[in-house]
Amino acid sequence: DQQVKQNSPSLSVQEGRISILNCDYTNSMFDYFLWYKKYPAEGPTFLISISSIKDKNEDGRFTVFLNKSAKHLSLHIVPSQPGDSAVYFCAANQGGSEKLVFGKGMKLTVNP
Amino acid sequence: GAGVSQTPSNKVTEKGKYVELRCDPISGHTALYWYRQSLGQGPEFLIYFQGTGAADDSGLPNDRFFAVRPEGSVSTLKIQRTERGDSAVYLCASSPTEGASGYTFGSGTRLTVV
Repeated sequence: DQQVKQNSPSLSVQEGRISILNCDYTNSMFDYFLWYKKYPAEGPTFLISISSIKDKNEDGRFTVFLNKSAKHLSLHIVPSQPGDSAVYFCAANQGGSEKLVFGKGMKLTVNP
Repeated sequence: GAGVSQTPSNKVTEKGKYVELRCDPISGHTALYWYRQSLGQGPEFLIYFQGTGAADDSGLPNDRFFAVRPEGSVSTLKIQRTERGDSAVYLCASSPTEGASGYTFGSGTRLTVV
């Protein structure tokens, strides 16, 4: 049973526009959420996170929104740049556990 | 080194053989994690070390998988009697403290069982 779901496998946007990546989760015990970016042949790189006590966290061009009632989070990238082209993973964590539960990932392509 | 180093980067082995995958964490990082990423999937948790001890090994799929970290630094993931379903990228991560946002992942070892 997939506890963290990224239902769209890919997204293509134009440079300068907004990219919105979505993630849903089923486990109401999750209280910390992260986004990772992965380039081919490299390990995932931490991008941004959000605690369940917040509904928004912003870091430069990246903003994560959390809707706990809907068990949904999204990552907004604006403006999108070609260097943002990568696979993005949503991950969740339950307090007291060091284990991350990842979604399947979404491939973002930003076209120049 | 500056990052998490995993060796080998690629490993091809025959079904039934034994393999060892090595992870050199960032110096001083006390927490070390192993994940497995199968094709088309996200990384799946295998095991977590705090220092020398395995604090959580609940993700190891069966008793063919074992991991050690004898001196609290380098870790080795050992797979006995490999099966074709073990083919995946094995990722190691380390962190200076507990807490998921501190992870630094290595580039992984791509294991192919033929």
